[in-house]
Order: sequence, then structure tokens, then C-alpha cells
Amino acid sequence: NAGVTQTPKFRVLKTGQSMTLLCAQDMNHEYMYWYRQDPGMGLRLIHYSVGEGTTAKGEVPDGYNVSRLKKQNFLLGLESAAPSQTSVYFCASSYPTSLPYNEQFFGPGTRLTVL
Amino acid sequence: AQKITQTQPGMFVQEKEAVTLDCTYDTSDPSYGLFWYKQPSSGEMIFLIYQGSYDQQNATEGRYSLNFQKARKSANLVISASQLGDSAMYFCAMRELRGNTPLVFGKGTRLSVIA
Repeated sequence: NAGVTQTPKFRVLKTGQSMTLLCAQDMNHEYMYWYRQDPGMGLRLIHYSVGEGTTAKGEVPDGYNVSRLKKQNFLLGLESAAPSQTSVYFCASSYPTSLPYNEQFFGPGTRLTVL
Repeated sequence: AQKITQTQPGMFVQEKEAVTLDCTYDTSDPSYGLFWYKQPSSGEMIFLIYQGSYDQQNATEGRYSLNFQKARKSANLVISASQLGDSAMYFCAMRELRGNTPLVFGKGTRLSVIA
């Protein structure tokens, strides 16, 4: 199993350009998440999904859109990139659960630079 | 709203010594889970240990243990017999059962193990 994969691994954009980050998981997880990591800020949740066709906003959703058309994929879109969106983006997935234990499995990250 | 606080931006420890990384949390949900993740310089997020709010005993996983003090709302990570490979960022995270919320992360502590 590949686990959680992210495409691309690195990307440089100019301000105003658009792009889509792809996250794929082969663990049949219902839940998927997008986080961004900035120095000194830890990981902050952008958007998440609890199932195919559903999405919800996290802590820092502005400037991003997401789609979950297939259970195994979760796409993060930047319609008009800004330098403030320079960050490392992590995708994660997990099983659905009614228990507090809910280990999230992370992808390797995408390093995005917006000039 | 849930909140995780890690007050130590950086820590140093001598090889083979034990070290404690602090984590305090704030929640009004009686049912929650606490997680620690390790992020080495390579960037991946590695799950280390979990503690549930109703667990009677402190969690242990090899050289990792969690000093869970529920009344003080603290969940400190203890690493025994530190190794050079323990040098990394360490993140504390929490999930509330109410609302089926994703993990919320602290800002992290960078641990450096000195030979």
C-alpha cells in the first residue's frame, strides 16, 4: 500500500496563478484533511471531508477550495495564489470513528512557494 | 473551542538522558483524545503515542510515555534514553469527540539531542 500520496512534491507559483494539489489514499479511509504548516505555527486545518461529496471548513479556509468527488481523492485548489500561501501543505486521512482515538495518516507534504 | 499549547519552542537534551516535552490543552468536552507526532527533518509526520481522556493508565510506547494529568489538563511526552535520531519537531494534538472534530495541533517543540 502506498498510504497517502501527494502531488506535486514541490511547486513555485507566481502571484495570481492557480493550481490544484492532489491527495490520494489507498486505505479506504472516509475522512480526509488538508493542513498547512508554517514556521512557528504548527499545523493548521484548511478544509476537511468526512465522506465522498462532503467538505467542511477548518481553521484557515480563506483562499482555498476543495473537492472530494471520489473517496480516495481530496483536491485542494488555489484560485489566485498569494505570497501568504507559501507553505508546506499536508494531506491526511483516517477511518471514521465515534471514539476519541482517530489516528491520522499523513502524506509526505507539498512545498509551495508563491512569488 | 479546543486549544493546544506547547510552551517550549526548542529543547536540548544530552544523548541517553530523558526529556519531557510539555503540552497543555483546553476543552470542555469530557471525551477527547491526545496525540503526539514526530516530524524529523525529512518532513514526514510520524504518530508516536495516544492517550484517551478516560484511560486509567498513562500511555507508553517503547521509549515514549505520556504523563497525563487530567486535572491540570496536561499531556507531557517523556522520551527516555534519548538518541540522536530523536532530534525532530514534536507536535501535541487533540481531538474532541463532540462534533467529531479533526485533530488540532500545537505549535510544536524542536528537540535537539546532543552527543
